[in-house]
Amino acid sequence: AQSVSQHNHHVILSEAASLELGCNYSYGGTVNLFWYVQYPGQHLQLLLKYFSGDPLVKGIKGFEAEFIKSKFSFNLRKPSVQWSDTAEYFCAVRTGGFKTIFGAGTRLFVKA
Amino acid sequence: DGGITQSPKYLFRKEGQNVTLSCEQNLNHDAMYWYRQDPGQGLRLIYYSQIVNDFQKGDIAEGYSVSREKKESFPLTVTSAQKNPTAFYLCASSPEGGQPQHFGDGTRLSIL
Repeated sequence: AQSVSQHNHHVILSEAASLELGCNYSYGGTVNLFWYVQYPGQHLQLLLKYFSGDPLVKGIKGFEAEFIKSKFSFNLRKPSVQWSDTAEYFCAVRTGGFKTIFGAGTRLFVKA
Repeated sequence: DGGITQSPKYLFRKEGQNVTLSCEQNLNHDAMYWYRQDPGQGLRLIYYSQIVNDFQKGDIAEGYSVSREKKESFPLTVTSAQKNPTAFYLCASSPEGGQPQHFGDGTRLSIL
């Protein structure tokens, strides 16, 4: 079955630390990849997306993600996190048609 | 501002009752979706609709029903057949199936 796996459910970092959130999916065909973020008290919003082309994509607020096709991965990175990055992060994969599969989410807490 | 409006924000249901969650969008999007979010499980797709008067079951459609009589509206009914309805419900829309989705603020449903 198609699935999306996020390796960490909870991550705690200090400000200025580097961040990498893992995301792997199980599907052998063409995919569209997304990272969504949900800040406390706000609705889910798009952080970045990959459809084709350069596998290193940049999103809002200094986030980036790299698509590695051979590893079925789309890890999210940020060189230096801020307290305001505290949120829940969801990896999502569209495998075709209208269906998008979401990972279970990673809760990030950044200590000031 | 364009967006997705879900109402009510909190909803309580007695056992054996059907309840309807409202979702309205003014983004002129063709596709609309309903997800259920449970702790540690991410978002699971209940139903989606590509165009007016058409909708498809998602992964967990049992005990739920939807309608799509207007482009801007996609109400979800949680029926008495849904044995574990307590959850957070999210509505989303997109211009077409492959594009990033825009989310509402969600409705939290609880059983009395």
